[in-house]
Amino acid sequence: AQKVTQAQTEISVVEKEDVTLDCVYETRDTTYYLFWYKQPPSGELVFLIRRNSFDEQNEISGRYSWNFQKSTSSFNFTITASQVVDSAVYFCALRDTGGFKTIFGAGTRLFVKA
Amino acid sequence: GAVVSQHPSWVICKSGTSVKIECRSLDFQATTMFWYRQFPKQSLMLMATSNEGSKATYEQGVEKDKFLINHASLTLSTLTVTSAHPEDSSFYICSAQTGGRADTQYFGPGTRLTVL
Repeated sequence: AQKVTQAQTEISVVEKEDVTLDCVYETRDTTYYLFWYKQPPSGELVFLIRRNSFDEQNEISGRYSWNFQKSTSSFNFTITASQVVDSAVYFCALRDTGGFKTIFGAGTRLFVKA
Repeated sequence: GAVVSQHPSWVICKSGTSVKIECRSLDFQATTMFWYRQFPKQSLMLMATSNEGSKATYEQGVEKDKFLINHASLTLSTLTVTSAHPEDSSFYICSAQTGGRADTQYFGPGTRLTVL
């Protein structure tokens, strides 16, 4: 069965600190897709990244970076030099090729204090 | 690109009435749309998957007679909450994707439903 675990319920950091959000997933499929979404207080989900299971290259986009490790079934997200505007709930999600369903983790609420 | 809209953004209704929520893909054709429900401080729970022109597939535990989904065109899906009750109060979010399983889902801004 598919499962996404985000063990960190809430994280609080001070502005300019680096922060890593953890994501561990479970799937029996060899082909699958992983996603990160940001949900600010307004509620609208913002797509951040999609990674397929065959691409283990880490990715960097500005202050954001992602570390995908199949050996540990993890897809962690790091924000460098955090800013107050980064305060939001971040969801990790998994979709396998068995269907269209995307399974979301419980989310990690990030508070960045000025 | 890849914009999904929802209308209304919030709605308050009396218990026993029905509420319709629209989800539109504005700049792409969505062969598949999804409806999620999110309670405060919780994750998104998939309610149903709908493909244009066919009946929606509901997740286990979701009452299809209570949550009516119509995906009439490639750009519009509607969710009707029938005979709403206070426990139906929630944040309803739709998403859309163009086709294949590899496609990214794009989410609407959500509709906050409050049933009095």
